[in-house]
Amino acid sequence: GAVVSQHPSWVICKSGTSVKIECRSLDFQATTMFWYRQFPKQSLMLMATSNEGSKATYEQGVEKDKFLINHASLTLSTLTVTSAHPEDSSFYICSARDEPGTSSYEQYFGPGTRLTVT
Amino acid sequence: AQTVTQSQPEMSVQEAETVTLSCTYDTSENNYYLFWYKQPPSRQMILVIRQEAYKQQNATENRFSVNFQKAAKSFSLKISDSQLGDTAMYFCAFMKLRVKLIFGTGTRLQVFP
Repeated sequence: GAVVSQHPSWVICKSGTSVKIECRSLDFQATTMFWYRQFPKQSLMLMATSNEGSKATYEQGVEKDKFLINHASLTLSTLTVTSAHPEDSSFYICSARDEPGTSSYEQYFGPGTRLTVT
Repeated sequence: AQTVTQSQPEMSVQEAETVTLSCTYDTSENNYYLFWYKQPPSRQMILVIRQEAYKQQNATENRFSVNFQKAAKSFSLKISDSQLGDTAMYFCAFMKLRVKLIFGTGTRLQVFP
């Protein structure tokens, strides 16, 4: 149980184009999902918290107009990188929080998406 | 602001031996959760162990155990009987406000045969 998927696993796009990454909780409902960015050999940096049916909360320094997050259902959140540039190339990871009722508030992580902007 | 510090960028251990990874954190909260995550070369984040701050007993999961010192704000991970499959990046994480995870910089563990 508690599986999170991401699609695509790897995407290459040209500079100036937009790319969408999907994050799905497969066997549980997630009112809250999180998007992280990870540079090579570095830690995970939280970009934003996505709440179903409401606007995402972005961390300081993250451009919300560039990284559009939509959490349209209890099992799906999407991250759209708009007008992508080579510096947006990175590994993007989503996680989903299990519903309250469990005591740990554990987050389950997707396998990540490697974005390469040429 | 909460911070998580992992002072060991790299560690190595012989197979079947024991290794301890260090983690310290800073917070003014009294109730929180601490986690150790493993990230193997596949880059899938895997939960290794969790600890609730209100529990004095150290968490244990098979070969993995923690030494949680709340007053010292220390949360180290001990891996016993190390296996080649334990080779990975290990991240210590603090759960802020019971929602946000704050990660340390990670420790790269290499297990040698």
